[in-house]
Amino acid sequence: DVKVTQSSRYLVKRTGEKVFLECVQDMDHENMFWYRQDPGLGLRLIYFSYDVKMKEKGDIPEGYSVSREKKERFSLILESASTNQTSMYLCASRRFRGRVGEKLFFGSGTQLSVL
Amino acid sequence: SQQGEEDPQALSIQEGENATMNCSYKTSINNLQWYRQNSGRGLVHLILIRSNEREKHSGRLRVTLDTSKKSSSLLITASRAADTASYFCATDYPGTYKYIFGTGTRLKVLA
Repeated sequence: DVKVTQSSRYLVKRTGEKVFLECVQDMDHENMFWYRQDPGLGLRLIYFSYDVKMKEKGDIPEGYSVSREKKERFSLILESASTNQTSMYLCASRRFRGRVGEKLFFGSGTQLSVL
Repeated sequence: SQQGEEDPQALSIQEGENATMNCSYKTSINNLQWYRQNSGRGLVHLILIRSNEREKHSGRLRVTLDTSKKSSSLLITASRAADTASYFCATDYPGTYKYIFGTGTRLKVLA
């Protein structure tokens, strides 16, 4: 089965630090996503990558950037972490954009706390 | 916001009972999917229903879709303690790559 691996399960950072969240998938999926999940707000899309070096902003990209240099790896970068970025971050992948209804495969999530 | 709404927000039932949760959305969709999330973990895909389908079954899961009301329901029959989790609906729309997730229903099944 597809495996989506997020590098850290829990992360504690200080305000102003640069933070890297890494995600790797092992099934040659073209599309990768970063979501954040907050109580009562569900999942909100931060960034989407439909192929290597290709990216599109999601609904809440402010304060974040992404990098996809290799197909299997999608990194989320918090340039200067702030307390309002404390959240659960979920990475997901799917086969390709062109097919309607492809399911998402999720990593286990990274719970980030910014102090 | 295009975000879907789910109700109830929380549901507590006894083992063996059926659990029903509902999802409403705002615009025409291609498909609707249901996902499950165990506490503090990632989401796992359960079932997909296409916009031209009205009902779909998978094991103890039954999903219905009413496009005229822009709503879907997920029924879990003969629930088990292991079904305790949060359940999310996700919709995708024509012309967009996005999947819009609902706010989720927290299900607790008491043994």
